[in-house]
Amino acid sequence: QKEVEQDPGPLSVPEGAIVSLNCTYSNSAFQYFMWYRQYSRKGPELLMYTYSSGNKEDGRFTAQVDKSSKYISLFIRDSQPSDSATYLCAMSADSAGGTSYGKLTFGQGTILTVHP
Amino acid sequence: EAGVTQFPSHSVIEKGQTVTLRCDPISGHDNLYWYRRVMGKEIKFLLHFVKESKQDESGMPNNRFLAERTGGTYSTLKVQPAELEDSGVYFCASSQDFYSPLHFGNGTRLTVT
Repeated sequence: QKEVEQDPGPLSVPEGAIVSLNCTYSNSAFQYFMWYRQYSRKGPELLMYTYSSGNKEDGRFTAQVDKSSKYISLFIRDSQPSDSATYLCAMSADSAGGTSYGKLTFGQGTILTVHP
Repeated sequence: EAGVTQFPSHSVIEKGQTVTLRCDPISGHDNLYWYRRVMGKEIKFLLHFVKESKQDESGMPNNRFLAERTGGTYSTLKVQPAELEDSGVYFCASSQDFYSPLHFGNGTRLTVT
């Protein structure tokens, strides 16, 4: 069983729709939760970062973490064609014992297409 | 500020050959990471440098892979000899410290035939 499960999609929505992307995980040691966006032939780009449980909002993007359910979400409001990309969830454990926050465990990524 | 630079962007080699990938992190970033994505799988951690020292190499698949970071600046990842299953996209990322976000390069697409 994978440590992080993410539905690969693909997901296709009309412009202006609200998009919901989700990941579940099994490792209770994960404390840092991230969402990356990756355009074709590019590297992952950090969108949102959350420590422990809670919500975080940045413009059209909202990240939610529910540690009790081991479930994280990313919501995109008023989606635009420029949001078409692969969205990757990633997470890491605390840095106790010298393990870096940067040692990320990724989901498989969800391919999102927003059509005009 | 220049981002993380990886070279080459694409490499095609035959099984049994040697390939060396290079990563130039963002200037001043002490932490450098290598990740890999093979076809149909998720991006996976390979190793982590702090300056020139290997902090964590638990993700390195086997001893055909050798990573170095000369003088704590750029890093190289050598695969010798390459096998078919080594095909994938190799990403490098850097960060200023343990708690800073990672900045990823655009990756090197390696194809072993």
